[in-house]
Amino acid sequence: EVQLVESGGDLVQPGGSLRLSCAASGFTFSNYWMSWVRQAPGKGLEWVANIKQDGSETYSVHSVRGRFTISRDNAKDSLYLQMNSLRVEDTAVYYCGRVSEGTSVYRWIDSWGQGILVTVSS
Amino acid sequence: DIVMTQSPDSLAVSLGERATINCKSSQSVLNSSIKKNYLAWLQQKPGQPPKVLIYWASTRGSGVPDRFSGSGSGTDFTLTISSLQAEDVAVYYCQQYFDTSYTFGQGTNLEIK
Repeated sequence: EVQLVESGGDLVQPGGSLRLSCAASGFTFSNYWMSWVRQAPGKGLEWVANIKQDGSETYSVHSVRGRFTISRDNAKDSLYLQMNSLRVEDTAVYYCGRVSEGTSVYRWIDSWGQGILVTVSS
Repeated sequence: DIVMTQSPDSLAVSLGERATINCKSSQSVLNSSIKKNYLAWLQQKPGQPPKVLIYWASTRGSGVPDRFSGSGSGTDFTLTISSLQAEDVAVYYCQQYFDTSYTFGQGTNLEIK
């Protein structure tokens, strides 16, 4: 069974930093593109970032470029999101997602974690 | 970025009746060379993560009941629930993966009338 478990969420002040982790199990992690998607309280879904199987390609939404970095450690079956210069508007539940099997990023997210809350507030 | 616009924002349908949700993309998400639309539909129930229902615009995900169907091509897409069940109460999103920057529709809140 595919499992994605996020951790690292917290309350942080504006301008602060946080690193989210996602522990993957039940599949060969190194074979899949991975994603982060977020959802502000009471709002819709917003894709944040994607990373290729070997980490050689990453893509991110314009609003987080230069502040957030997606990375992975295939030896640890783990996905990360380093978030710097956090803003109030980054407050959201952050979901880790597995992109469906294939070499291309142009595929749907077929598995989701339960999500972790990040609150940015003074 | 490709903008995805859903209609309506909310919908109330009686049990057993048909529910229809529309999604329009600001540019085509059809790959003409392989004749596939890079469009997924997701369901999110309260307090839960999203779950994919449909991908390639019309292919049902694993374990998804056949009352859910997707149609459309290019820029206009529809999710249809043929006979609404109580467990279908949720927010539904369309999402394009035609571009490296994925984008979602704003969501449609489906309730029981």
